[in-house]
Amino acid sequence: DTGVSQDPRHKITKRGQNVTFRCDPISEHNRLYWYRQTLGQGPEFLTYFQNEAQLEKSRLLSDRFSAERPKGSFSTLEIQRTEQGDSAMYLCASKAESGNTIYFGEGSWLTVV
Amino acid sequence: QKEVEQNSGPLSVPEGAIASLNCTYSDRGSQSFFWYRQYSGKSPELIMFIYSNGDKEDGRFTAQLNKASQYVSLLIRDSQPSDSATYLCAVNTGANNLFFGTGTRLTVIP
Repeated sequence: DTGVSQDPRHKITKRGQNVTFRCDPISEHNRLYWYRQTLGQGPEFLTYFQNEAQLEKSRLLSDRFSAERPKGSFSTLEIQRTEQGDSAMYLCASKAESGNTIYFGEGSWLTVV
Repeated sequence: QKEVEQNSGPLSVPEGAIASLNCTYSDRGSQSFFWYRQYSGKSPELIMFIYSNGDKEDGRFTAQLNKASQYVSLLIRDSQPSDSATYLCAVNTGANNLFFGTGTRLTVIP
């Protein structure tokens, strides 16, 4: 069990560029979540997958954000035409079907300059 | 109205004292409750969870749940400087995700 893995850990990008984050969940965890956290706030839910199906998306997730989990294993979160307000830590988490606990990865920090 | 509310602190306690962290939630249908610890610049890590009214103890940590009052708390006994962190309360309302409070920053003074 290597835990939830996220890549890259840090990304600095210019406004208007696209960025993509990858998440590898704990093996055999079929549920995968993306959250966003800004300074002084708790994590905010963005989206959720059960296997390869994206079952829920937050209203926070604008059209510039897209997430995929093509084979029900790893997931990607892409942000197009980044804005300064997108600067945050993007957290991936996973949970087993029968489990009660969501486990977080170490997060991917995004800074948009 | 926010789903989960916490006092942002900071809460300062001397080493060896009991730290008490509180959380209230708005959805009466909430089913499970979690406490996460988050060190600065790091991701949240689970401390413990509770489902039933009453107390649940795990080492120096005790979670308390009162569903009638919609109130969850976390007690940390014999507080250590290494306990200094932000503590996040999270609630599962039965939907497929957790709602988090803004966290309470705890400082344990040696």
